[in-house]
Amino acid sequence: RKEVEQDPGPFNVPEGATVAFNCTYSNSASQSFFWYRQDCRKEPKLLMSVYSSGNEDGRFTAQLNRASQYISLLIRDSKLSDSATYLCVVSGGSYIPTFGRGTSLIVHP
Amino acid sequence: DAGVTQSPTHLIKTRGQHVTLRCSPISGHKSVSWYQQVLGQGPQFIFQYYEKEERGRGNFPDRFSARQFPNYSSELNVNALLLGDSALYLCASSRTSGNNYEQYFGPGTRLTVT
Repeated sequence: RKEVEQDPGPFNVPEGATVAFNCTYSNSASQSFFWYRQDCRKEPKLLMSVYSSGNEDGRFTAQLNRASQYISLLIRDSKLSDSATYLCVVSGGSYIPTFGRGTSLIVHP
Repeated sequence: DAGVTQSPTHLIKTRGQHVTLRCSPISGHKSVSWYQQVLGQGPQFIFQYYEKEERGRGNFPDRFSARQFPNYSSELNVNALLLGDSALYLCASSRTSGNNYEQYFGPGTRLTVT
């Protein structure tokens, strides 16, 4: 089993839709979790940290489920500009953060 | 404020050659990490440096090495290049080392090995 797994998609959704991605991790000792966004041929940009109590930033909500070992990202009222690849990052007891391969989102008119 | 900068932006090398990639972190950030990203995959961790000391090393061969300078900038060196080293090399900076940190990425160096 891979350390961090994401469905590569693509998720094809219309503008205004709500879409959710999950990211599962195998190391139960993992401590830190993040979501990044990466546009085509650009660098990843930090979207949000994922706290135990969840985290909301505008249309974006991130949740952590330690029991089932996954994190989720919910995007409400999708915009065309949300089209990108969404990467989850998990860090355990070492200094080595592990990225998932990313989930591609395409928002169409 | 300037973000993370990397140089060069693109590079073409031949198998067996050596390459040096450079990174300057965001002002005030003391930690630099290096990643390799191949098409269709997420970034893979290579190294993290904090205060000039190596704090983490990913699963890469000894051909890969790095260092951090007193001004917190960093170099990634790759010896005896292989075709499989062709990738986007990303540098990320953060205020400190450890697990609970947010990283900010530079635009990357796209390396092509022929």
